[in-house]
Amino acid sequence: DTEVTQTPKHLVMGMTNKKSLKCEQHMGHRAMYWYKQKAKKPPELMFVYSYEKLSINESVPSRFSPECPNSSLLNLHLHALQPEDSALYLCASSQALAGISEQFFGPGTRLTVL
Amino acid sequence: QKEVEQDPGPLSVPEGAIVSLNCTYSNSAFQYFMWYRQYSRKGPELLMYTYSSGNKEDGRFTAQVDKSSKYISLFIRDSQPSDSATYLCAMRRTGNQFYFGTGTSLTVIP
Repeated sequence: DTEVTQTPKHLVMGMTNKKSLKCEQHMGHRAMYWYKQKAKKPPELMFVYSYEKLSINESVPSRFSPECPNSSLLNLHLHALQPEDSALYLCASSQALAGISEQFFGPGTRLTVL
Repeated sequence: QKEVEQDPGPLSVPEGAIVSLNCTYSNSAFQYFMWYRQYSRKGPELLMYTYSSGNKEDGRFTAQVDKSSKYISLFIRDSQPSDSATYLCAMRRTGNQFYFGTGTSLTVIP
């Protein structure tokens, strides 16, 4: 099973709302990622968790708050977002750190901020 | 200079053609190379993965890596309309950070 699942598929929120994106994988991967992708652009790395610890934060605004409750789950908490935050949010996973490891993506959550 | 360069296209070919997609990179520390296919409004799907110079074949797809020239390619034989998508190259050093090309938009015309 090489599946990464994400919920919800679509999300529309106002600038004062609080919402969360969820990601799950059961491949035993110990590295999990959040990416943001705008139309016709490549994925842009936001956060990396390795062994449930935040290892990379690409200077993401604090209105995005990641959480890794366990090795299979990754959340992204959203609060006070701006319209320019509208994008496809992708979760991915890979085996951690050393050695050969492919990265597998979920289908994404399409976020619209009004 | 970007770490990974990829011609964004768009590229349009007739059905049955051989397609060549390319990326160049500047950092010789990259060791692992991937090609992803992304359909509109969907997540990227891993197509090919390789970690050495040379060719790797999987069905109609061949990935080629030339580390001495810092150049990777993806060839698609007998292209089909269902191959119409954006193709992203990605690469990795050690560690957990992946570097993406900008993606090449491909349309295969029936």
